[in-house]
Amino acid sequence: KAGVTQTPRYLIKTRGQQVTLSCSPISGHRSVSWYQQTPGQGLQFLFEYFSETQRNKGNFPGRFSGRQFSNSRSEMNVSTLELGDSALYLCASSLDYGSTDTQYFGPGTRLTVL
Amino acid sequence: GENVEQHPSTLSVQEGDSAVIKCTYSDSASNYFPWYKQELGKGPQLIIDIRSNVGEKKDQRIAVTLNKTAKHFSLHITETQPEDSAVYFCAASEGGTSYGKLTFGQGTILTVHP
Repeated sequence: KAGVTQTPRYLIKTRGQQVTLSCSPISGHRSVSWYQQTPGQGLQFLFEYFSETQRNKGNFPGRFSGRQFSNSRSEMNVSTLELGDSALYLCASSLDYGSTDTQYFGPGTRLTVL
Repeated sequence: GENVEQHPSTLSVQEGDSAVIKCTYSDSASNYFPWYKQELGKGPQLIIDIRSNVGEKKDQRIAVTLNKTAKHFSLHITETQPEDSAVYFCAASEGGTSYGKLTFGQGTILTVHP
């Protein structure tokens, strides 16, 4: 069974641009969560999607948004990029929403903002 | 919101020794506590988890203990091996509809010397 896949793996953007990251969950998984990982702030929760609806949201500005498609694939978008948005963005999938199933993480997308 | 403190930030042991990592949390509503291992260039991988109705859980060389009264939980690795070298993260969530929203500790860099 394939794991969580994230594309692209690496991305370089300049300040002010916007970026879209993609996540394909494990087959059969319907819940997708996104996290930002930086050396200074560690791993921080961005949002969780289930059944094409955002179910939980972390403490990030509105420049960070996401969506989920009917096949459970998810995308997150960051608009008006700032230098501080440079980070590893991780996607995690689990079988269901509100369940105790394991969250499986993908390898992440490394975003560098110049 | 929830806050998770993790100690120590770095831990160096000799092969065969035990390693202990400790975490405290602030929200008494939290009832799910997973531990993740992250190797270089990879996403976090679940190694063990515990729920608030259990005080201790063991899986081969790895064990986790939970003290809900004191709001702290610990990871114990016995008979450490060089391949245990990685960054370890503890996390907490309120469970229920928030299982997909994990609050992570800052991480512990574990180095096991042969």
